[in-house]
Amino acid sequence: NAGVMQNPRHLVRRRGQEARLRCSPMKGHSHVYWYRQLPEEGLKFMVYLQKENIIDESGMPKERFSAEFPKEGPSILRIQQVVRGDSAAYFCASSPPITEGLGYSSYNEQFFGPGTRLTVL
Amino acid sequence: AQTVTQSQPEMSVQEAETVTLSCTYDTSESDYYLFWYKQPPSRQMILVIRQEAYKQQNATENRFSVNFQKAAKSFSLKISDSQLGDAAMYFCAYRSAHSGGGADGLTFGKGTHLIIQP
Repeated sequence: NAGVMQNPRHLVRRRGQEARLRCSPMKGHSHVYWYRQLPEEGLKFMVYLQKENIIDESGMPKERFSAEFPKEGPSILRIQQVVRGDSAAYFCASSPPITEGLGYSSYNEQFFGPGTRLTVL
Repeated sequence: AQTVTQSQPEMSVQEAETVTLSCTYDTSESDYYLFWYKQPPSRQMILVIRQEAYKQQNATENRFSVNFQKAAKSFSLKISDSQLGDAAMYFCAYRSAHSGGGADGLTFGKGTHLIIQP
């Protein structure tokens, strides 16, 4: 059973270009999370998606960043008009369906991919 | 909003010795989960150990154990019989037991770089 796949592993873009990062969750997982890790920092939550739905994007920058998880294919994190400050490692994690009730969610481990290191020149 | 603080940017320990990594957190919630993740040079995030806040018993996984002090909001990781393969960045993380409003994502500390001296 393959783990979470991310590609590309390394991506170099010039300022003003677009960056597309892909994440294929583990088999059977329907939940995807994106995190960003700046140098010397911990990971910061960006967005949580289920198939065809954005559940929580409270950690996403308001402009230039978008994410999708289509019915078929990988989840995509898209960064338009990249700037040097976007240089970071971007991690995707996936988890199986979460049992929820009355606003509580049971714990389901998030399995992380190897990350994509984005460098903006 | 929840915050996680790791006050030790770097720790060093002799091989086969025991080391404790510190973590404190701030939350107004009573139900949550706490985690320690390991990030070796490959940058892959690996779950080391997990603790449910409602459990009083400290979690253990082989050579890894935690000291969970809920009232003090402290969650330290003890690594016994340190091995060269334990060298990595270690991140403490928090997740609410509630859903929505960013609660589904993990909140990470800034990490502790663990060095193992042969």
